[in-house]
Amino acid sequence: AQSVTQLDSHVSVSEGTPVLLRCNYSSSYSPSLFWYVQHPNKGLQLLLKYTSAATLVKGINGFEAEFKKSETSFHLTKPSAHMSDAAEYFCVVSDRGNTGFQKLVFGTGTRLLVSP
Amino acid sequence: GAGVSQSPRYKVAKRGQDVALRCDPISGHVSLFWYQQALGQGPEFLTYFQNEAQLDKSGLPSDRFFAERPEGSVSTLKIQRTQQEDSAVYLCASSQTEPGTAASQNTGELFFGEGSRLTVL
Repeated sequence: AQSVTQLDSHVSVSEGTPVLLRCNYSSSYSPSLFWYVQHPNKGLQLLLKYTSAATLVKGINGFEAEFKKSETSFHLTKPSAHMSDAAEYFCVVSDRGNTGFQKLVFGTGTRLLVSP
Repeated sequence: GAGVSQSPRYKVAKRGQDVALRCDPISGHVSLFWYQQALGQGPEFLTYFQNEAQLDKSGLPSDRFFAERPEGSVSTLKIQRTQQEDSAVYLCASSQTEPGTAASQNTGELFFGEGSRLTVL
């Protein structure tokens, strides 16, 4: 089964400084990987996805992630944090369900705190 | 509607009560998923529908949990004889399977609702 590990439960940054949210995956085949964001009392929103095309993936709101097979990592980065980036971020791997559909397997989440 | 709609947003139940949680997916979306998110955890897969067919229910934690999607649109997640460990946010998501692709190749985006927060006292 596929799985992801988010290495930090909380990350604190100052506004305007870079963001790094770490994720490692475990997969027996070439995975599809995603980052989702969850703002308080809001639905989960897709930030970006990797599906075996370019290893550097650009997403919404200035976020990007790099797929590194040698390190089994898919870290999320942003050059400059904004107050509105404060939220819970989930690294997600796609796993094949028992009928071939792709079900999402979520990490435990990283809460990003942004201070003024 | 424009997005996935879930109701009720909040539900408080006494232990032993039955509850029903509703999901209205985005119109035309073929695939529908239910996830359970316990406090401080990531969402965990419960069950999956393709149209009205429930193709996978391997994530349902017990036989007290039941889901249906009789007309391939609205779905209901029912929990019988609720227990305190059932307290969680229940998330519904839908996606539009890309025409002409096999289900196993569907890596399309899932659109999530805001969830139904269930508290069992």
